[in-house]
Amino acid sequence: DGGITQSPKYLFRKEGQNVTLSCEQNLNHDAMYWYRQDPGQGLRLIYYSQIVNDFQKGDIAEGYSVSREKKESFPLTVTSAQKNPTAFYLCASSPGQGRPYEQYFGPGTRLTVT
Amino acid sequence: RKEVEQDPGPFNVPEGATVAFNCTYSNSASQSFFWYRQDCRKEPKLLMSVYSSGNEDGRFTAQLNRASQYISLLIRDSKLSDSATYLCVVNAGGTSYGKLTFGQGTILTVHP
Repeated sequence: DGGITQSPKYLFRKEGQNVTLSCEQNLNHDAMYWYRQDPGQGLRLIYYSQIVNDFQKGDIAEGYSVSREKKESFPLTVTSAQKNPTAFYLCASSPGQGRPYEQYFGPGTRLTVT
Repeated sequence: RKEVEQDPGPFNVPEGATVAFNCTYSNSASQSFFWYRQDCRKEPKLLMSVYSSGNEDGRFTAQLNRASQYISLLIRDSKLSDSATYLCVVNAGGTSYGKLTFGQGTILTVHP
């Protein structure tokens, strides 16, 4: 089955530690995205990547880093510089050509930092 | 002004009711519009794209008014399973390829 996987589903970390969230897709989609969702709020874009080895900052990139070494993978690192890292993190991908704006989401990772 | 604004909700309706959600967007260069559905503690799922001429998918009808920068979603004959948060989503337009802006969402609860 084609889809987007994120792991782990729940993640707990101590303040001051960096943590990397995994996102993998086997849909052969060109573009991938990371969002953050806080309770009662809409999704906010952290980073996005249109092609391999290229990515752009979204609206709230500070304290986060990404890489796109393979088309299938777009890991997100939440660094200790991120002031409020506890949130629901969602990865998405889109076909790119033809339907560049339709995005499909993975199941998300709930990160709790104490 | 927020880039995408939705009805604050929540909406509580009985089964079988018709309910409408409204959304306005501020970027006149936006070209693509969507409604997503998000169940509690789950990921958003694409419900339908919104086309200029309006479009229908079963009990769901989406309308777009570019002049007023307004999008709507109508749900007819509501089912219990329609209970969810509905997100209005707009692309950023211009050179921001693929960048979407999400509204805060409107919560719908359908009760027996």
